[in-house]
Amino acid sequence: EPEVTQTPSHQVTQMGQEVILRCVPISNHLYFYWYRQILGQKVEFLVSFYNNEISEKSEIFDDQFSVERPDGSNFTLKIRSTKLEDSAMYFCASSAGGRTEAFFGQGTRLTVV
Amino acid sequence: QKEVEQNSGPLSVPEGAIASLNCTYSDRGSQSFFWYRQYSGKSPELIMSIYSNGDKEDGRFTAQLNKASQYVSLLIRDSQPSDSATYLCAVNMGDSGYSTLTFGKGTMLLVSP
Repeated sequence: EPEVTQTPSHQVTQMGQEVILRCVPISNHLYFYWYRQILGQKVEFLVSFYNNEISEKSEIFDDQFSVERPDGSNFTLKIRSTKLEDSAMYFCASSAGGRTEAFFGQGTRLTVV
Repeated sequence: QKEVEQNSGPLSVPEGAIASLNCTYSDRGSQSFFWYRQYSGKSPELIMSIYSNGDKEDGRFTAQLNKASQYVSLLIRDSQPSDSATYLCAVNMGDSGYSTLTFGKGTMLLVSP
């Protein structure tokens, strides 16, 4: 069964460092997303990506965040200068259509120290 | 502020019983509704999607949608201990065609043997 895969599963980084989280969406999906979940809190939308550009972003997705689809399979989230409050689980998701079912990857746990 | 509200629980039911999980949402224009299951430390796993008023059944799961009341529910029949998890209600509230999801905080379900 097709699935969204994310790497790494766990990333520890020092405050101020740059991190790149990687995702391989389901192959025939066209819409890609990043969500995050701070421990004990709800899942929050960060950004959606379609047709090689950002289609929607939340207030959380400020200038320190960026997304890229560098090739035909990968979808990345870059955090330029990490802060302690960026510590969270980051989930990549993809969907075939705009309002259809979104499938989530297993997540990357980011710990900023 | 667009919100999805869920009772945080825990909802405790004995094995074999019916578990009923509820969700309300604030945006009357919402069109797509999803239930995800999340085990502790894991990613959201899609269980059901529902797009029109009424009931939708899939195995032991039934999703119910009432757009007039802005209410969506999930029934789990013949509950099993393996159903013990947090159930997330997610709503596509966007005006665009993109599947940006707003999540509730989730309801924890405990099924006792």
